[in-house]
Amino acid sequence: AQRVTQPEKLLSVFKGAPVELKCNYSYSGSPELFWYVQYSRQRLQLLLRHISRESIKGFTADLNKGETSFHLKKPFAQEEDSAMYYCALRGSQGNLIFGKGTKLSVKP
Amino acid sequence: NAGVTQTPKFQVLKTGQSMTLQCAQDMNHNSMYWYRQDPGMGLRLIYYSASEGTTDKGEVPNGYNVSRLNKREFSLRLESAAPSQTSVYFCASKELWSTNEQFFGPGTRLTVL
Repeated sequence: AQRVTQPEKLLSVFKGAPVELKCNYSYSGSPELFWYVQYSRQRLQLLLRHISRESIKGFTADLNKGETSFHLKKPFAQEEDSAMYYCALRGSQGNLIFGKGTKLSVKP
Repeated sequence: NAGVTQTPKFQVLKTGQSMTLQCAQDMNHNSMYWYRQDPGMGLRLIYYSASEGTTDKGEVPNGYNVSRLNKREFSLRLESAAPSQTSVYFCASKELWSTNEQFFGPGTRLTVL
């Protein structure tokens, strides 16, 4: 079965602290994984995808096929990072299979 | 370019009423999707249209119908609304052969009383 698991509903950190949002997936084959972010009162938007191996807004994510994980990391959190984060897996229908999301709260 | 637009932004219905949620994109994308977002559930696929003229069921299609009116527009219809359909509905589009970056609309917040 194709599935994405985000074990934390809420993650609260202080400004300047490191952040790691966890994502595990279940998929037979070569997965395509993404992180989407939804800031308050804004639409869902792509943050990064594993095939690009890029860093966006200081965030990185590495695909670990052995652990079937795609955790999102940032060394120093900023208040403007507060948002809802969704890990997503490309489904067989071309759609996205989303995790339940993690709300990141960065306190001053 | 407006990207993906949705109307209405908000709607309140009574149980049994019907309504159509509209979605349009101006990016010339082939594929369009409807998701619902519920607290603690993430986004779940309702229906999708891989290309103009085709539609298929997603994970949670019961109680919904869709129409791919043309390449730009993809509507979602609730024939007889139920309280369980209270949710935020998102439309998305992408180019068929892209690396699957989907572009999302702003959402429609629907409440069924």
